[in-house]
Formats: sequence, C-alpha cells, structure tokens
Amino acid sequence: AQSVTQLDSHVSVSEGTPVLLRCNYSSSYSPSLFWYVQHPNKGLQLLLKYTSAATLVKGINGFEAEFKKSETSFHLTKPSAHMSDAAEYFCVVTIINTGTASKLTFGTGTRLQVTL
Amino acid sequence: NAGVTQTPKFQVLKTGQSMTLQCAQDMNHEYMSWYRQDPGMGLRLIHYSVGAGITDQGEVPNGYNVSRSTTEDFPLRLLSAAPSQTSVYFCASSYQPSNTEAFFGQGTRLTVV
Repeated sequence: AQSVTQLDSHVSVSEGTPVLLRCNYSSSYSPSLFWYVQHPNKGLQLLLKYTSAATLVKGINGFEAEFKKSETSFHLTKPSAHMSDAAEYFCVVTIINTGTASKLTFGTGTRLQVTL
Repeated sequence: NAGVTQTPKFQVLKTGQSMTLQCAQDMNHEYMSWYRQDPGMGLRLIHYSVGAGITDQGEVPNGYNVSRSTTEDFPLRLLSAAPSQTSVYFCASSYQPSNTEAFFGQGTRLTVV
C-alpha cells in the first residue's frame, strides 16, 4: 500500500521569502514521487518528479524537492516566493513496476498564499 | 496538440439523472484515468484504463461506469446522479502510470441538486 501526507493544509508567505511545503510518504516499494500545482479553476500541472535518479530534483519556476529515504519525505522548496506561486500544491506517490497497473495516490493538498 | 480535452466544463444535474463526461487525448497515451476532487481530500481515483478494452476500478468507483473502446477516448458515465457526486472531475492520461508525467484536463464541475 502507499500513502502520502501533506503536513500543512495552508501555508502563507511573503513575496520574496522562502517557500517550504512538506510531504511525507509511505510505500512498500521504491516510490516515484511528484509535485503538481493547480492554479484556481485550472487543471493540474507537473512541477517536478523523482524516479530513483538524483535525490535533489529541480522543477519548473524555481521549485525543487529533495527525496530523503531515511525520513520518507519529499518536501518542496523555493528560495523566493512570487505572487504567481499562489496556488494549491499536491504531493503524489506511486510505485514502480509492481507487475500491476500503478496508480497515483494524491495528498490532500497545500494551499500556498503569497502576500505583499 | 490539444492534450487532454474534457467536456463539458460545467454541468448541473437533477438527482437520478444520468450523464456522460467526455475525455479525449491526442498523445497516444495508453493509460487514462478519472479522478474526483473534493475539498480537503485531494484527488481520488474513480476508474482507470491501461489500454483500449481494459478498465479497472479505483478508490471510489461506486455510481460510475467507464469504457475504453479507443486509445483516445475514456468517457465516464454517471448512472443515476446523487448529491454526493457533486464534485470536480478530472481526466488524466500518461504514457505509463508509474513514473511519467500525467497530463490533466481542465476539469468538469458537476453539481447534483
């Protein structure tokens, strides 16, 4: 079984300050991990993904995430928030090649608010 | 390249009515799936398909049917709408489900009254 926990339902930062969105996962097998972003009334867009290569993953718009197996974490960070980063962010886990169709398991989401 | 196209964008149904949400993709992806998004619950998998003619249930399949007669299309049918099915529905497709990017449609906002 696999699961993902996003530790904060809402995060508020000032423009220009760092962003940290926390995600912990549980998986019986080697996981693939993703972060998706959803802007209001839009579909989901991939920010970045980890698939057992480098543990520090760089994504679009200056975001990055580090896979830490010992902590079962995949936190999303950005050095300096921009107003356009205000959105909902989803951490997603799936498992690789188990012989059956893999499925994406979504966290409950973190709403990022960016203030002036 | 249109990606994943969902129709309609908005729909209001009366309890007991049936309808079909359409989803089409033009990327030749084998894997397609339907999710519902409810506040505070993230996205939950309803049904998925690993190729034409093959479908399976996800986490919350009750009240929904799917079929996959072509690679491109994956419609979701609500058999007898209930207020509990009020939600935003997303269709997604990917080359493989496990380690490649999933492409999402813009969503269908469904209200059942």
